[in-house]
Amino acid sequence: NAGVTQTPKFRVLKTGQSMTLLCAQDMNHEYMYWYRQDPGMGLRLIHYSVGEGTTAKGEVPDGYNVSRLKKQNFLLGLESAAPSQTSVYFCASKKRDRDRSYNSPLHFGNGTRLTVT
Amino acid sequence: AQSVTQPDIHITVSEGASLELRCNYSYGATPYLFWYVQSPGQGLQLLLKYFSGDTLVQGIKGFEAEFKRSQSSFNLRKPSVHWSDAAEYFCAVGASDMRFGAGTRLTVKP
Repeated sequence: NAGVTQTPKFRVLKTGQSMTLLCAQDMNHEYMYWYRQDPGMGLRLIHYSVGEGTTAKGEVPDGYNVSRLKKQNFLLGLESAAPSQTSVYFCASKKRDRDRSYNSPLHFGNGTRLTVT
Repeated sequence: AQSVTQPDIHITVSEGASLELRCNYSYGATPYLFWYVQSPGQGLQLLLKYFSGDTLVQGIKGFEAEFKRSQSSFNLRKPSVHWSDAAEYFCAVGASDMRFGAGTRLTVKP
């Protein structure tokens, strides 16, 4: 059982280049998330999705786009990378509770370390 | 909008001593509250969670947390810290959109 898998694990980009981070989960979870983690700032929510074909903005969405074409995948795109986007990116997923609560925990991937020079 | 404040950036305790990590939240409805732990180079692991019921919740690794609605707090505690507890701890609040605090880094002295 792989859980949440992020690819790639590491990437170095030059300013202005584009790239896509892939997150895949095999737990049939409805909700998926992209966070960035920076020293002293914790995890900040970039975008999230509550189901296939839907996405929503989080706290820091500028400069990023996302797509959820398949339930198991959540892609994070950087169209024109900037040094300020140097960070560790975490994907997470969680199931929708049958009682419509939000009690289920997040399951995290191991992160992608992105450096923009 | 919901938010989480962890006032302590870094805490150092001696092995065997008690621990309390503070978390204050802002949320418009009844909050779903979580504590996660992150070891170096790893993803986050759930320690415990709270939504309703008994305000003192037990988690893994001997951790517990108490929900205090009047203080908008959800502090994490452990009676006796072990060297392996050294890590970064994150408090989180939210429903479909989960928000995290800035984290508290715990150092354990021998």
